[in-house]
Amino acid sequence: LAKTTQPISMDSYEGQEVNITCSHNNIATNDYITWYQQFPSQGPRFIIQGYKTKVTNEVASLFIPADRKSSTLSLPRVSLSDTAVYYCLVGDPNAGNNRKLIWGLGTSLAVNP
Amino acid sequence: DTEVTQTPKHLVMGMTNKKSLKCEQHMGHRAMYWYKQKAKKPPELMFVYSYEKLSINESVPSRFSPECPNSSLLNLHLHALQPEDSALYLCASSQYTSGTRYNEQFFGPGTRLTVL
Repeated sequence: LAKTTQPISMDSYEGQEVNITCSHNNIATNDYITWYQQFPSQGPRFIIQGYKTKVTNEVASLFIPADRKSSTLSLPRVSLSDTAVYYCLVGDPNAGNNRKLIWGLGTSLAVNP
Repeated sequence: DTEVTQTPKHLVMGMTNKKSLKCEQHMGHRAMYWYKQKAKKPPELMFVYSYEKLSINESVPSRFSPECPNSSLLNLHLHALQPEDSALYLCASSQYTSGTRYNEQFFGPGTRLTVL
């Protein structure tokens, strides 16, 4: 099973771009990379998912190099409300009833004024 | 309605009590999940229901008993818990458990459980 490694914490300022990198050296061919955001005392919320190259939505971008051994979540122009824990997940969506997602330990992002 | 609701928000129970956590979704999702989350840790998968049948039990102690009465409801019955079971219990749902792409999980706000 793939294991993910991400920084424990990061600090930023409002208006800056934040890049959080996740390492997943043992990612399998069928695995996707997914990122969730979690605010204190709330459930995680899906941000973005990708398999390769670049994915962009209204919230973030996800960059995945060709070897897929890492991925970078990019948050453009962060605000105070982006202060949260960001989890990197790796898993096979076709694993069926035996699906298991590997959650990273999370990166605690603090956005300062 | 893209919301997963959980009740109660907070629960304090003694080690001899029996209580239940409830989860509800009306998105037509056919997969539902229970997770346990300790402070500063990622969620840990406990159970997965697919089409109202238990499909994954991650070797959870029998003092936790899940139930899926229908496709919208998920319960977690608690009995004889230990203080170390104190945690945030999260419910989630997704359209399916498998498919050609990963199915986004929608999480509820969780129940903060304290076992005395």
